[in-house]
Amino acid sequence: TQLLEQSPQFLSIQEGENLTVYCNSSSVFSSLQWYRQEPGEGPVLLVTVVTGGEVKKLKRLTFQFGDARKDSSLHITAAQTGDTGLYLCAGLNYGGATNKLIFGTGTLLAVQP
Amino acid sequence: DAGVIQSPRHEVTEMGQEVTLRCKPISGHDYLFWYRQTMMRGLELLIYFNNNVPIDDSGMPEDRFSAKMPNASFSTLKIQPSEPRDSAVYFCASSPSGRGTGELFFGEGSRLTVL
Repeated sequence: TQLLEQSPQFLSIQEGENLTVYCNSSSVFSSLQWYRQEPGEGPVLLVTVVTGGEVKKLKRLTFQFGDARKDSSLHITAAQTGDTGLYLCAGLNYGGATNKLIFGTGTLLAVQP
Repeated sequence: DAGVIQSPRHEVTEMGQEVTLRCKPISGHDYLFWYRQTMMRGLELLIYFNNNVPIDDSGMPEDRFSAKMPNASFSTLKIQPSEPRDSAVYFCASSPSGRGTGELFFGEGSRLTVL
């Protein structure tokens, strides 16, 4: 069974701080996505990374795909209370069935004012 | 455009009762997924369809669970009989074909509580 481990599991920080969330696996993925989920809602896609070593920026969020396509990181600069939520990485099974995503264990982020 | 629509949003039932969850995917999306989310196990894929045909149901926990997709705009997930350990949030998601990157669009979920 493929596993995507995220760390940390929980993170509570003050507004304005920086943070990094990690997503690691022993498996290779053809692409990797990051989602954010707010209470009472479904996950919403933030970004998809496809190429090993790829870096994508979304305002204050920076996403990186590992060179070997086994891991990824999400860095948030100057966190805001609106960044609070559950962050999920999800990998597309390399060589497997189309669109079958494996979701990570999740990182619950709380940004305090 | 309307997103993925799920109903009911909340369901409380007693052990042994039948539960039916419903989903309307985004129009034009060829893939439909049912996921279950719990604190202990996170998001688990139960089953997914492509063009209304079940492709992979290896995540369906037991024979008590069944899913159907009679047409491109409607799917159901049924639990019969329900048990307390089925309590979770059930998400439906759809995805367009041809992208190759598996991007999912989720509904708001159906929170099921089995007493």
